[in-house]
Amino acid sequence: DAGVIQSPRHEVTEMGQEVTLRCKPISGHNSLFWYRQTMMRGLELLIYFNNNVPIDDSGMPEDRFSAKMPNASFSTLKIQPSEPRDSAVYFCASSWDHLTTNEKLFFGSGTQLSVL
Amino acid sequence: AQSVTQLGSHVSVSEGALVLLRCNYSSSVPPYLFWYVQYPNQGLQLLLKYTSAATLVKGINGFEAEFKKSETSFHLTKPSAHMSDAAEYFCAVSEGGGFKTIFGAGTRLFVKA
Repeated sequence: DAGVIQSPRHEVTEMGQEVTLRCKPISGHNSLFWYRQTMMRGLELLIYFNNNVPIDDSGMPEDRFSAKMPNASFSTLKIQPSEPRDSAVYFCASSWDHLTTNEKLFFGSGTQLSVL
Repeated sequence: AQSVTQLGSHVSVSEGALVLLRCNYSSSVPPYLFWYVQYPNQGLQLLLKYTSAATLVKGINGFEAEFKKSETSFHLTKPSAHMSDAAEYFCAVSEGGGFKTIFGAGTRLFVKA
């Protein structure tokens, strides 16, 4: 199994630009999570999908952030426009049927985002 | 709402010494509790998971954690630290209704030779 695959691994962009982060969950997992990790705030849950449907997006910081899951094997997290305070490591994680079973999360290697 | 507090952002031990990383949780219902480990430039990996079957949970790499309801604690221990244990450790809690997993701030473990 290839695990959770995130791309790009590193992203450097200028303030105001659009940034798109991508995630491919483990095949067969139907729950997907986006987390953001910073020194100041630790790991924050941004949004959580189950069967491609957003279940909880209360952690999305503001309207500049949006996430989609068009199918079971792909999700994107978009920031438009990006700001320096968005600089962080963004992790995608997947799990089997987290809505009802509370299985462990499998994390990708993360995307290191730097907004200049 | 559930929350997790990890006591100590940094812990330093000598190789061969006991490792103790502290975690206290808050949950309105019996929680599911986890410890994850993060090595540099990697995502988090599950160390162990508590699901009410037993209060002492054994995980990978010789780690274990004990659930103490009266103290709302779930501390992580390892009898003898190894250099390869140097990493950041996260305690996490989730509960019903979607099992949203909330992570603590993390504790970075340093192991001295």
